[in-house]
Amino acid sequence: DTAVSQTPKYLVTQMGNDKSIKCEQNLGHDTMYWYKQDSKKFLKIMFSYNNKELIINETVPNRFSPKSPDKAHLNLHINSLELGDSAVYFCASSRPGGANTGELFFGEGSRLTVL
Amino acid sequence: DAKTTQPTSMDCAEGRAANLPCNHSTISGNEYVYWYRQIHSQGPQYIIHGLKNNETNEMASLIITEDRKSSTLILPHATLRDTAVYYCIAPPLTFGTGTRLQVTL
Repeated sequence: DTAVSQTPKYLVTQMGNDKSIKCEQNLGHDTMYWYKQDSKKFLKIMFSYNNKELIINETVPNRFSPKSPDKAHLNLHINSLELGDSAVYFCASSRPGGANTGELFFGEGSRLTVL
Repeated sequence: DAKTTQPTSMDCAEGRAANLPCNHSTISGNEYVYWYRQIHSQGPQYIIHGLKNNETNEMASLIITEDRKSSTLILPHATLRDTAVYYCIAPPLTFGTGTRLQVTL
């Protein structure tokens, strides 16, 4: 069983469209994250939720809206897609730990290509 | 929140030890250092973490300097499958660009 699963794995779409990426974890973790990895392989945190509550919200355009219906799911919705949104998006989860985040478990990534 | 810096790339011969350094001079007293690796375009994989003491597990060893301003990840007997990008991170959890380790025959 996959611990952290993301769908879709690949997504090709036109500029201006709205798309969503879904993430689910079956590890019983309370904290989930979204990361963006650009073409230069820089892996940057975007959002973090702890038990459905937003706790990290880095400088990300408000076209990106995370939604956590329950602590096992964290979905990422992107409005009005732009060319610069093309990247691989990784979902991750961890046990809560304050300053010590604990081990992060990553999904396999969702490669978004905006044409 | 700590910022980490790592060399862009390193080479290592198969069977030899790979020593990957990381500077985290602004790390706070209660912030752990974590190491991950990313093989090709897969999701990053946890390797090891530490606070003050040196740590060892089945994958690697972590040596943390006494002042906690730097650390070194050691893969004792590198194999071709260890070729990957290695990330050293501390809060705020941004991975940066890591060190690309190339293990060669």
